[in-house]
Amino acid sequence: EIVMTQSPATLSVSPGERATLSCRASQSVSSNLAWYQQKPGQAPRLLIYGASTRATGIPARFSGSGSGTEFTLTISSLQSEDFAVYYCQQYNNWPYSFGQGTKLEIK
Amino acid sequence: QVQLVESGGGVVQPGRSLRLSCAASGFTFSSYGMHWVRQAPGKGLEWVTVIWYDGSNKYYADSVKGRFTISRDNSKNTLYLQMNSLRAEDTAVYYCARDGMECSGGSCKGDNWFDPWGQGTLVTVSS
Repeated sequence: EIVMTQSPATLSVSPGERATLSCRASQSVSSNLAWYQQKPGQAPRLLIYGASTRATGIPARFSGSGSGTEFTLTISSLQSEDFAVYYCQQYNNWPYSFGQGTKLEIK
Repeated sequence: QVQLVESGGGVVQPGRSLRLSCAASGFTFSSYGMHWVRQAPGKGLEWVTVIWYDGSNKYYADSVKGRFTISRDNSKNTLYLQMNSLRAEDTAVYYCARDGMECSGGSCKGDNWFDPWGQGTLVTVSS
């Protein structure tokens, strides 16, 4: 089973600043990686797939990069609605697996 | 618009069974694989199971293998999760999610991300 490890567990950033979230896979997942955003009491929402492609309707301030085992989600200028928990997920091998999440909080 | 609506959650005693449903609308249900993902209270996401668009293949997480069964009725645009021998550790919000791969006429496009997700249904296993 591929283990996905996200860092940091919690990230405190001020509105308007840049946030960088990391995700590492225990073995290569090629570019078969997605990022999801989850707000309290809501279902997750797809942000990024294929490691770097924004899903429909996702603002350009969200960007993904990486391949193999190292991935990054960058939010260029944080808006108030961006404070949430973010999960990475690999879909290269069964069983598909998620990282444990990074909570992005207001500094 | 594309919509997934789960139902069937509730409180159940350990060892008992429960069946969840996920009603799909706004897209060609029979062209997409479907997943169940769960989230224990205050915890992260755990993929549970997937069924191919035509029901030909199914995969399960080890934690539920042999106890849970995924199925679908493409004529009713509905996904199911039959959960037997429930345990306290199965307590979670259960989400259904559409696979990102669309298959039609023998060809497929896209890949296996999850989009969209339903709003979830809470299953509590407790005596």
